[in-house]
Amino acid sequence: DTEVTQTPKHLVMGMTNKKSLKCEQHMGHRAMYWYKQKAKKPPELMFVYSYEKLSINESVPSRFSPECPNSSLLNLHLHALQPEDSALYLCASSQVGRALGGQPQHFGDGTRLSIL
Amino acid sequence: DAKTTQPNSMESNEEEPVHLPCNHSTISGTDYIHWYRQLPSQGPEYVIHGLTSNVNNRMASLAIAEDRKSSTLILHRATLRDAAVYYCISNAGGTSYGKLTFGQGTILTVHP
Repeated sequence: DTEVTQTPKHLVMGMTNKKSLKCEQHMGHRAMYWYKQKAKKPPELMFVYSYEKLSINESVPSRFSPECPNSSLLNLHLHALQPEDSALYLCASSQVGRALGGQPQHFGDGTRLSIL
Repeated sequence: DAKTTQPNSMESNEEEPVHLPCNHSTISGTDYIHWYRQLPSQGPEYVIHGLTSNVNNRMASLAIAEDRKSSTLILHRATLRDAAVYYCISNAGGTSYGKLTFGQGTILTVHP
């Protein structure tokens, strides 16, 4: 069982819909991440939050809007997505520290998103 | 972040040791070496990480070359559950966030 919980596990939406992905962790981690993984490809970083503030946006289109309302929760708001956005969306969390590069990330099992 | 190079695939027999190599020839002095694995239909799972010295944990061992340009993940006794994609990642250690740049990884097949 993973300590990072992502809901829903599966989501099918039309291109005009608005939906949100949710990620929750109760490990006291203050860094949270969104990754996108296409089929048979490695995960790609989208966003990083550190202490509830956006630290990295990897040039992600504005139709993806992240939100970190508190230290345990991370949302990804979706609007006007394209069929090529169909993928597995992974959330992760980690400790924050001077040597954050040395902190392991804990991943959820992802939300599998299909855009019709 | 330093680029890493791994073999596309490797095979092993159950209960035998597995040595998964990784080259990271452009690694800098503050870059950590991380290993994650991803089982089918699951998110990546942290395996082990290190900076300069060899590391051991309950899952595996990490052997880091003296010049740090390569490393090897060692699974001491492979089980069928170890069949997964193994990612070797080198990321910056001095920043305030842990940006992981995944490479293509090694697909490990374990035969009974």
